[in-house]
Amino acid sequence: DGGITQSPKYLFRKEGQNVTLSCEQNLNHDAMYWYRQDPGQGLRLIYYSQIVNDFQKGDIAEGYSVSREKKESFPLTVTSAQKNPTAFYLCASRDRGWTEAFFGQGTRLTVV
Amino acid sequence: EDQVTQSPEALRLQEGESSSLNCSYTVSGLRGLFWYRQDPGKGPEFLFTLYSAGEEKEKERLKATLTKKESFLHITAPKPEDSATYLCAVQVPNDYKLSFGAGTTVTVRA
Repeated sequence: DGGITQSPKYLFRKEGQNVTLSCEQNLNHDAMYWYRQDPGQGLRLIYYSQIVNDFQKGDIAEGYSVSREKKESFPLTVTSAQKNPTAFYLCASRDRGWTEAFFGQGTRLTVV
Repeated sequence: EDQVTQSPEALRLQEGESSSLNCSYTVSGLRGLFWYRQDPGKGPEFLFTLYSAGEEKEKERLKATLTKKESFLHITAPKPEDSATYLCAVQVPNDYKLSFGAGTTVTVRA
């Protein structure tokens, strides 16, 4: 089945540690996205990538980093510089810049 | 700065009571407007894409419409299974950035 896989579903991190969230898609989509969602709020864009080896900052990129070495993969690293990392993280992909985006099932990150 | 505003924040409906959700936007040169449904703890599920003013799309009890400044999602005779958060997103030209509103949480009581 084609789709977007995010792993893990739940992640716990100690303060001061970096952690990497995985996002893989087998839809052959060019563009990939990372969003953050806090309770009762909408999606805020962290980073997006239109093509391999290229990515752009979204609205809340501080404290996060990404890479796009392969078309199917777009991992997100939450660094220790992110002051409030506890949130629900969603990855998405789309074929072109004007088509609908498809989402993974999310990773819930909790800092303990 | 491009803005997407959804209203109301929350909507409580009785089963069968039709209503509408609003998504207003201030983007320059809309390239597309997207509606999604999100259930708690899940990723958003795509519903509709609208590209130009006057366009309408329908799916079961949902109908989306678009004007030059806003979009409406009409829910006709809702059922409890229509309870979810409905999100809209806008796309501007020459950029792959996809910006979302804060969503409207709909609760339908039997």
